[in-house]
Amino acid sequence: NAGVTQTPKFRVLKTGQSMTLLCAQDMNHEYMYWYRQDPGMGLRLIHYSVGEGTTAKGEVPDGYNVSRLKKQNFLLGLESAAPSQTSVYFCASSYPLARVAGGPHNEQFFGPGTRLTVL
Amino acid sequence: RKEVEQDPGPFNVPEGATVAFNCTYSNSASQSFFWYRQDCRKEPKLLMSVYSSGYEDGRFTAQLNRASQYISLLIRDSKLSDSATYLCVVQNTDKLIFGTGTRLQVFP
Repeated sequence: NAGVTQTPKFRVLKTGQSMTLLCAQDMNHEYMYWYRQDPGMGLRLIHYSVGEGTTAKGEVPDGYNVSRLKKQNFLLGLESAAPSQTSVYFCASSYPLARVAGGPHNEQFFGPGTRLTVL
Repeated sequence: RKEVEQDPGPFNVPEGATVAFNCTYSNSASQSFFWYRQDCRKEPKLLMSVYSSGYEDGRFTAQLNRASQYISLLIRDSKLSDSATYLCVVQNTDKLIFGTGTRLQVFP
């Protein structure tokens, strides 16, 4: 049981290059998320998915696209990388979050992160 | 104004000390509340959920005050291994909103 895995772990890009980050989970979770973490900014949600074939925008979606063709995979794409996208990217997955206050809490499990530098 | 606000610290405390972290959130409709722990250059992991009635897990106690929109985490008898960043997290429908974290450094 690998949990949440991310590929690659490190990457250096030049401005304007494209790349795809892969997130995979083997816990049969419906929900998957992509975050970026920058010093002093905390974790910010880029895009998320509440099920296979569905995606939604988070707090900072510009410059990124996502796809969830299979339940266990969530891909994050950068079409034309910019230095402002230098960051640590975390993927996470969970069972559906409770909609009712005080309801059952479902933990988000995170991958180990991808460190991306855009020159 | 950030949706979840925390004191960034760092809090530098000796082993055995008691330390308290505070957090405020702006969305009164938030459903659930958590503390996550993040070690240096690692991924965040759930530390504990927070309930209005309070929740204690060994040396850790978390408290929620919905009226004041305030969350707290108390760590008693601090250990060197408690050194980490503690993230206050609020759930809004299908999303978790993370605070920027409070860094704790426990020294011998």
